[in-house]
Amino acid sequence: GESVGLHLPTLSVQEGDNSIINCAYSNSASDYFIWYKQESGKGPQFIIDIRSNMDKRQGQRVTVLLNKTVKHLSLQIAATQPGDSAVYFCAENRGGNQFYFGTGTSLTVIP
Amino acid sequence: KAGVTQTPRYLIKTRGQQVTLSCSPISGHRSVSWYQQTPGQGLQFLFEYFSETQRNKGNFPGRFSGRQFSNSRSEMNVSTLELGDSALYLCASSLGRRSSGYTFGSGTRLTVV
Repeated sequence: GESVGLHLPTLSVQEGDNSIINCAYSNSASDYFIWYKQESGKGPQFIIDIRSNMDKRQGQRVTVLLNKTVKHLSLQIAATQPGDSAVYFCAENRGGNQFYFGTGTSLTVIP
Repeated sequence: KAGVTQTPRYLIKTRGQQVTLSCSPISGHRSVSWYQQTPGQGLQFLFEYFSETQRNKGNFPGRFSGRQFSNSRSEMNVSTLELGDSALYLCASSLGRRSSGYTFGSGTRLTVV
C-alpha cells in the first residue's frame, strides 16, 4: 500500500554532532516534500521543503536530500543542539493541498 | 502576526456524544486543513476548506464533518464519539497553494471516555 514511513522511530545524538533522519515514501507520484518539527505540546512547524526536480536543498543548519530512484528522503541537522530535540516528520504531496505524513522520528539530543 | 488559534485546548467527552472544535487561521489565509494525530497512525488528513468550500477530504467516516465561515474560521464536528476518536486534532492554515506551506495550531486534545 501507499505509505510514508521512517526508518527509525527514535534517534539519540550528542550535542554538537550531526543528525540524520530518514524517510521512505512509496508513491512515485509524490513531487513535493516537507520536513516538519513538532515539539511537545505544539503543532508541527515547517523546517524545509524540496521539490522532486531537486536532489538537495539547504537551509540554516539543515539539509534535505531527495533520492527519487529509491524513494528516500533525509534530513540532516548540523551541530545538533538541545533545542533540536523534537519529533520530526516528513510529509509528501501529490498535488493539491493535502499532505501525507509519516509517523515521525523522535530526536533526543544528549548534552 | 497572530498564529493559528485552536479552541479548546483540552476536551473530555463520553462515548456517543458529539463535539465541535474551532480553528481561527492566520489573517489572510483562506485555506484551513484538519488533521488527526494519534501515536499509532501519525497525522492523518481529515479535510480542507478553502473559501467556505470543502476542497479535499480524507478517508474518515461521515461522523467527521467540518465547515468554514466567511471570515475563514473553521469548525470541525465529530458526532457519536467512539473511544478511538481520542486524539490530538490539528488545524493548519495556509494561503491555499501547497508550496505556501502550512502553519499549524497547537491542537485540541480530545479524550473520549
